[in-house]
Amino acid sequence: QVHLHESGPGLVKPSETLSLTCSVSGDSVSGYYLNWIRQPPGKGLEWIGYIYNSGSTNYNPSLKSRVTISVDPSKNQFSLKLNSVTAADTAVYYCEIAGYWGQGTLVTVSS
Amino acid sequence: DIVLTQSPATLSLSPGERATLSCRASQSLGNSLAWYQHKPGQAPRLLIYRASSRAAGIPARFSGSGSGTDFTLTISSLEPEDFAVYYCQQRNNWPLFGGGTKVEIK
Repeated sequence: QVHLHESGPGLVKPSETLSLTCSVSGDSVSGYYLNWIRQPPGKGLEWIGYIYNSGSTNYNPSLKSRVTISVDPSKNQFSLKLNSVTAADTAVYYCEIAGYWGQGTLVTVSS
Repeated sequence: DIVLTQSPATLSLSPGERATLSCRASQSLGNSLAWYQHKPGQAPRLLIYRASSRAAGIPARFSGSGSGTDFTLTISSLEPEDFAVYYCQQRNNWPLFGGGTKVEIK
């Protein structure tokens, strides 16, 4: 069974960078599409982007200019960075691999 | 970009009734579509992948059908635990989600 766990600050100031890490157990991150997804309060799911094969990335066009996803196979983790955040980036952030999801972590953007 | 449109936005049904949820794509997806169930405070749960294959541990009352641009998730007889929001997701290079269908108790 694959388990994923998101970690990172729950509060980020406007204009700063949101940074989250997804720690994976039960399988290797290698060879999978490693996704980040978010859900703003009261809204639906929004795909942020993925990394594949430790280097190929693909991002939601609406976020592409602000997003970076990276992977550390040695730690079996992958990470999300979203810069220049605003209140609109307040959301529960999930990591996902092959249908397995973390429990999500709420990130609030506020001064 | 391929857009997924889910309908209806809300489905009001009673336990034991049949639920039929629709997901329409703006371009053909082949069978690259998944369905998720999402309850408040929980992680989304994969129900169906490749349009019609049930994920591990998913009850047989959940079934998916369709290909190309029109897809359907059917819950044959609603159980109390099935009231939730359901999302379709294209599983290609741009794994965007539909807007969701809320299945609520009538």
